[in-house]
Amino acid sequence: GQQLNQSPQSMFIQEGEDVSMNCTSSSIFNTWLWYKQEPGEGPVLLIALYKAGELTSNGRLTAQFGITRKDSFLNISASIPSDVGIYFCAGQLVQGAGTALIFGKGTTLSVSS
Amino acid sequence: KAGVTQTPRYLIKTRGQQVTLSCSPISGHRSVSWYQQTPGQGLQFLFEYFSETQRNKGNFPGRFSGRQFSNSRSEMNVSTLELGDSALYLCASSLVTLQGGSYEQYFGPGTRLTVT
Repeated sequence: GQQLNQSPQSMFIQEGEDVSMNCTSSSIFNTWLWYKQEPGEGPVLLIALYKAGELTSNGRLTAQFGITRKDSFLNISASIPSDVGIYFCAGQLVQGAGTALIFGKGTTLSVSS
Repeated sequence: KAGVTQTPRYLIKTRGQQVTLSCSPISGHRSVSWYQQTPGQGLQFLFEYFSETQRNKGNFPGRFSGRQFSNSRSEMNVSTLELGDSALYLCASSLVTLQGGSYEQYFGPGTRLTVT
Protein backbone atom coordinates (compact mmCIF):
# COMPACT_ATOMS: atom_id res chain seq x y z
CA GLY A 1 0.00 0.00 0.00
CA GLN A 2 0.87 3.67 -0.18
CA GLN A 3 3.39 4.82 2.44
CA LEU A 4 5.38 7.84 3.38
CA ASN A 5 9.18 7.98 3.39
CA GLN A 6 10.21 8.64 6.98
CA SER A 7 13.80 9.19 8.09
CA PRO A 8 15.89 8.41 9.92
CA GLN A 9 14.79 4.87 10.71
CA SER A 10 16.40 5.03 14.15
CA MET A 11 18.31 7.46 16.33
CA PHE A 12 20.52 6.99 19.38
CA ILE A 13 21.09 10.22 21.25
CA GLN A 14 22.25 11.57 24.60
CA GLU A 15 19.83 13.17 27.02
CA GLY A 16 19.64 16.90 26.36
CA GLU A 17 20.29 16.67 22.62
CA ASP A 18 17.87 17.94 20.01
CA VAL A 19 16.28 15.54 17.53
CA SER A 20 14.92 16.02 14.04
CA MET A 21 13.00 13.61 11.83
CA ASN A 22 11.08 14.08 8.61
CA CYS A 23 8.61 12.59 6.18
CA THR A 24 8.26 13.01 2.46
CA SER A 25 5.66 11.82 0.00
CA SER A 26 4.92 11.92 -3.70
CA SER A 27 1.30 12.74 -2.81
CA ILE A 28 -0.22 15.95 -1.48
CA PHE A 29 -1.90 15.74 1.91
CA ASN A 30 -4.44 18.05 3.53
CA THR A 31 -3.28 17.17 7.03
CA TRP A 32 -0.06 15.92 8.57
CA LEU A 33 -0.11 14.21 11.95
CA TRP A 34 2.70 13.09 14.22
CA TYR A 35 2.21 10.19 16.64
CA LYS A 36 4.35 8.48 19.29
CA GLN A 37 3.97 4.81 20.12
CA GLU A 38 5.35 3.00 23.14
CA PRO A 39 5.51 -0.78 23.59
CA GLY A 40 2.13 -2.40 24.10
CA GLU A 41 0.21 0.79 23.38
CA GLY A 42 -1.51 2.45 20.46
CA PRO A 43 -0.10 5.58 18.81
CA VAL A 44 -0.64 8.78 20.76
CA LEU A 45 -1.28 11.97 18.82
CA LEU A 46 1.44 14.60 19.38
CA ILE A 47 0.80 17.32 16.81
CA ALA A 48 -1.68 17.94 13.98
CA LEU A 49 -0.92 20.29 11.06
CA TYR A 50 -3.59 21.61 8.73
CA LYS A 51 -2.07 24.33 6.54
CA ALA A 52 0.91 24.38 4.21
CA GLY A 53 3.75 26.23 5.92
CA GLU A 54 2.17 25.87 9.36
CA LEU A 55 4.59 25.58 12.27
CA THR A 56 3.11 24.19 15.48
CA SER A 57 4.61 23.51 18.89
CA ASN A 58 3.58 21.24 21.73
CA GLY A 59 5.98 21.74 24.62
CA ARG A 60 9.42 20.64 23.47
CA LEU A 61 8.01 19.35 20.19
CA THR A 62 7.79 21.44 17.04
CA ALA A 63 6.42 20.28 13.70
CA GLN A 64 6.00 21.93 10.32
CA PHE A 65 3.75 21.28 7.34
CA GLY A 66 5.84 21.67 4.19
CA ILE A 67 4.99 24.37 1.68
CA THR A 68 4.55 21.80 -1.10
CA ARG A 69 2.18 19.79 1.17
CA LYS A 70 4.32 16.75 0.43
CA ASP A 71 6.52 16.81 3.50
CA SER A 72 6.68 17.48 7.22
CA PHE A 73 9.28 17.46 9.95
CA LEU A 74 9.25 17.00 13.72
CA ASN A 75 11.83 18.42 16.10
CA ILE A 76 12.26 17.47 19.74
CA SER A 77 14.38 19.82 21.81
CA ALA A 78 16.36 18.94 24.92
CA SER A 79 15.46 15.24 24.82
CA ILE A 80 14.75 13.34 28.02
CA PRO A 81 14.58 9.58 28.71
CA SER A 82 10.77 9.49 28.48
CA ASP A 83 11.00 10.60 24.84
CA VAL A 84 11.99 7.02 23.99
CA GLY A 85 9.56 5.40 21.58
CA ILE A 86 8.63 5.11 17.94
CA TYR A 87 7.53 8.29 16.19
CA PHE A 88 5.25 8.05 13.18
CA CYS A 89 4.24 10.64 10.67
CA ALA A 90 0.86 10.27 8.98
CA GLY A 91 -0.74 12.07 6.08
CA GLN A 92 -4.48 12.25 5.85
CA LEU A 93 -5.96 11.38 2.47
CA VAL A 94 -9.48 12.20 1.40
CA GLN A 95 -10.74 9.25 -0.63
CA GLY A 96 -14.26 9.43 -1.95
CA ALA A 97 -16.62 10.13 0.92
CA GLY A 98 -14.11 9.06 3.53
CA THR A 99 -10.60 9.57 4.76
CA ALA A 100 -7.59 7.40 5.56
CA LEU A 101 -4.28 7.91 7.30
CA ILE A 102 -1.15 6.90 5.42
CA PHE A 103 1.76 6.21 7.78
CA GLY A 104 5.51 6.36 7.59
CA LYS A 105 7.53 3.36 8.79
CA GLY A 106 8.49 5.17 11.98
CA THR A 107 11.60 6.56 13.66
CA THR A 108 12.77 4.64 16.72
CA LEU A 109 14.28 7.01 19.26
CA SER A 110 16.62 5.86 22.00
CA VAL A 111 17.84 8.31 24.64
CA SER A 112 20.71 7.55 26.97
CA SER A 113 21.08 9.44 30.23
CA LYS B 1 -13.11 11.67 29.13
CA ALA B 2 -12.45 8.00 28.43
CA GLY B 3 -10.26 7.16 25.47
CA VAL B 4 -10.79 4.61 22.73
CA THR B 5 -11.22 1.14 24.17
CA GLN B 6 -10.61 -2.13 22.38
CA THR B 7 -11.45 -5.65 23.41
CA PRO B 8 -9.97 -8.10 23.77
CA ARG B 9 -6.40 -6.90 24.20
CA TYR B 10 -4.88 -10.25 23.28
CA LEU B 11 -6.18 -13.13 21.23
CA ILE B 12 -4.75 -16.42 20.01
CA LYS B 13 -6.52 -18.20 17.16
CA THR B 14 -5.83 -21.11 14.87
CA ARG B 15 -5.52 -20.95 11.10
CA GLY B 16 -8.91 -21.21 9.44
CA GLN B 17 -10.87 -19.80 12.38
CA GLN B 18 -12.59 -16.46 12.40
CA VAL B 19 -12.28 -13.61 14.88
CA THR B 20 -14.26 -10.54 15.90
CA LEU B 21 -12.63 -7.51 17.49
CA SER B 22 -14.49 -4.71 19.20
CA CYS B 23 -13.88 -0.97 19.47
CA SER B 24 -15.66 1.72 21.50
CA PRO B 25 -14.80 5.23 20.32
CA ILE B 26 -14.37 8.33 22.44
CA SER B 27 -17.77 9.65 23.52
CA GLY B 28 -19.17 11.91 20.82
CA HIS B 29 -16.89 10.57 18.09
CA ARG B 30 -18.85 9.19 15.17
CA SER B 31 -16.04 8.09 12.88
CA VAL B 32 -14.14 4.87 13.51
CA SER B 33 -11.21 3.62 11.47
CA TRP B 34 -9.30 0.34 11.68
CA TYR B 35 -5.60 -0.24 11.00
CA GLN B 36 -3.36 -3.27 10.92
CA GLN B 37 0.17 -2.95 12.28
CA THR B 38 2.88 -5.49 11.48
CA PRO B 39 6.69 -5.25 11.69
CA GLY B 40 7.04 -5.73 7.95
CA GLN B 41 4.27 -3.55 6.55
CA GLY B 42 3.89 -1.01 9.34
CA LEU B 43 0.52 0.64 9.85
CA GLN B 44 -1.95 -0.11 7.07
CA PHE B 45 -5.47 1.32 6.72
CA LEU B 46 -8.27 -1.25 6.73
CA PHE B 47 -11.54 0.69 6.65
CA GLU B 48 -13.44 3.67 7.99
CA TYR B 49 -17.01 3.84 9.28
CA PHE B 50 -19.20 6.86 9.83
CA SER B 51 -22.87 6.76 10.84
CA GLU B 52 -22.99 2.98 10.40
CA THR B 53 -21.71 3.20 6.82
CA GLN B 54 -18.37 2.12 5.47
CA ARG B 55 -16.98 5.22 3.80
CA ASN B 56 -13.55 4.05 2.81
CA LYS B 57 -11.71 0.75 2.45
CA GLY B 58 -8.05 -0.11 2.22
CA ASN B 59 -6.40 -2.73 0.08
CA PHE B 60 -7.22 -5.84 2.08
CA PRO B 61 -8.97 -9.05 0.99
CA GLY B 62 -12.68 -9.58 1.54
CA ARG B 63 -11.92 -11.79 4.55
CA PHE B 64 -11.60 -8.52 6.46
CA SER B 65 -14.91 -6.88 7.18
CA GLY B 66 -16.42 -4.55 9.70
CA ARG B 67 -19.52 -2.81 10.85
CA GLN B 68 -20.58 0.10 13.00
CA PHE B 69 -23.56 0.26 15.33
CA SER B 70 -25.91 3.15 16.03
CA ASN B 71 -23.95 4.03 19.20
CA SER B 72 -20.79 4.36 17.04
CA ARG B 73 -19.19 1.23 18.48
CA SER B 74 -17.51 -0.82 15.79
CA GLU B 75 -16.47 -4.40 15.21
CA MET B 76 -14.13 -5.89 12.69
CA ASN B 77 -14.18 -9.51 11.62
CA VAL B 78 -11.53 -11.62 9.97
CA SER B 79 -12.65 -14.92 8.52
CA THR B 80 -10.55 -17.93 7.52
CA LEU B 81 -7.53 -16.69 9.46
CA GLU B 82 -4.07 -17.02 7.93
CA LEU B 83 -0.71 -16.94 9.68
CA GLY B 84 -0.01 -13.61 8.04
CA ASP B 85 -3.00 -12.06 9.80
CA SER B 86 -1.02 -12.03 13.05
CA ALA B 87 -0.75 -8.36 13.89
CA LEU B 88 -1.75 -5.54 16.19
CA TYR B 89 -5.18 -4.29 15.13
CA LEU B 90 -5.77 -0.67 16.03
CA CYS B 91 -8.97 1.26 16.13
CA ALA B 92 -9.04 5.06 15.89
CA SER B 93 -11.91 7.46 16.40
CA SER B 94 -12.39 11.05 15.35
CA LEU B 95 -14.93 13.69 16.25
CA VAL B 96 -16.52 13.94 12.83
CA THR B 97 -15.40 13.54 9.27
CA LEU B 98 -16.73 15.65 6.46
CA GLN B 99 -15.75 15.19 2.88
CA GLY B 100 -12.67 17.32 2.44
CA GLY B 101 -12.45 17.96 6.19
CA SER B 102 -9.56 16.96 8.40
CA TYR B 103 -9.89 15.86 11.98
CA GLU B 104 -7.46 14.20 14.35
CA GLN B 105 -7.71 10.46 14.86
CA TYR B 106 -7.18 9.05 18.35
CA PHE B 107 -6.06 5.48 18.73
CA GLY B 108 -6.96 2.74 21.16
CA PRO B 109 -4.37 0.37 22.67
CA GLY B 110 -5.01 -2.28 20.03
CA THR B 111 -5.79 -5.97 19.97
CA ARG B 112 -2.79 -8.25 19.56
CA LEU B 113 -3.92 -11.18 17.38
CA THR B 114 -1.71 -14.23 17.07
CA VAL B 115 -2.64 -16.89 14.52
CA THR B 116 -1.04 -20.31 14.99
